[in-house]
Amino acid sequence: DGGITQSPKYLFRKEGQNVTLSCEQNLNHDAMYWYRQDPGQGLRLIYYSQIVNDFQKGDIAEGYSVSREKKESFPLTVTSAQKNPTAFYLCASSIENHSYNEQFFGPGTRLTVL
Amino acid sequence: AQSVTQLDSQVPVFEEAPVELRCNYSSSVSVYLFWYVQYPNQGLQLLLKYLSGSTLVKGINGFEAEFNKSQTSFHLRKPSVHISDTAEYFCAVSDRNTDKLIFGTGTRLQVFP
Repeated sequence: DGGITQSPKYLFRKEGQNVTLSCEQNLNHDAMYWYRQDPGQGLRLIYYSQIVNDFQKGDIAEGYSVSREKKESFPLTVTSAQKNPTAFYLCASSIENHSYNEQFFGPGTRLTVL
Repeated sequence: AQSVTQLDSQVPVFEEAPVELRCNYSSSVSVYLFWYVQYPNQGLQLLLKYLSGSTLVKGINGFEAEFNKSQTSFHLRKPSVHISDTAEYFCAVSDRNTDKLIFGTGTRLQVFP
């Protein structure tokens, strides 16, 4: 079955700790994305990557970092610099980063800062 | 910059009734438009998309949407809803200049028996 997996489903973090959210896809897609979802605010783009070893900041990149060492993997690190990290995080991918391409979404990771 | 407005944050409706979820976007230049559905604690799933051609687009689960260029709208409709349609629905527009997908704030559809 082709798709996108995210792990863990739920993640708890103490203030001041960095945490890494996993995103893997076996769709052979070139482009991958990370979004943050907060109640009543829709989805906001954190980072995206069009090819391996390259990525660009989205609209709310501060306090986050990513890497794209493999085509199928795009992990997101939430650093201690992120002031309000509690949110639902969604990873997505598309064939290419073109505006007409459908994005496929993973099931999400809910991060809670204690 | 592109923006998307979903006018209703919540839409309650009884089962088997028709429903319309409204979506307006900001730019009148050529756009690509999408509707996604999100069930509780899950990712988003594409319902339908408008790229070009016929302004009436049919999607999965009996949903359809109509692209109206003059009104910059892309409203989602279903003639008869089911309990299982209870979910959050997101309208999104592609910004052709940046290739980014801009999402609305979502509409929660609640179907009652």
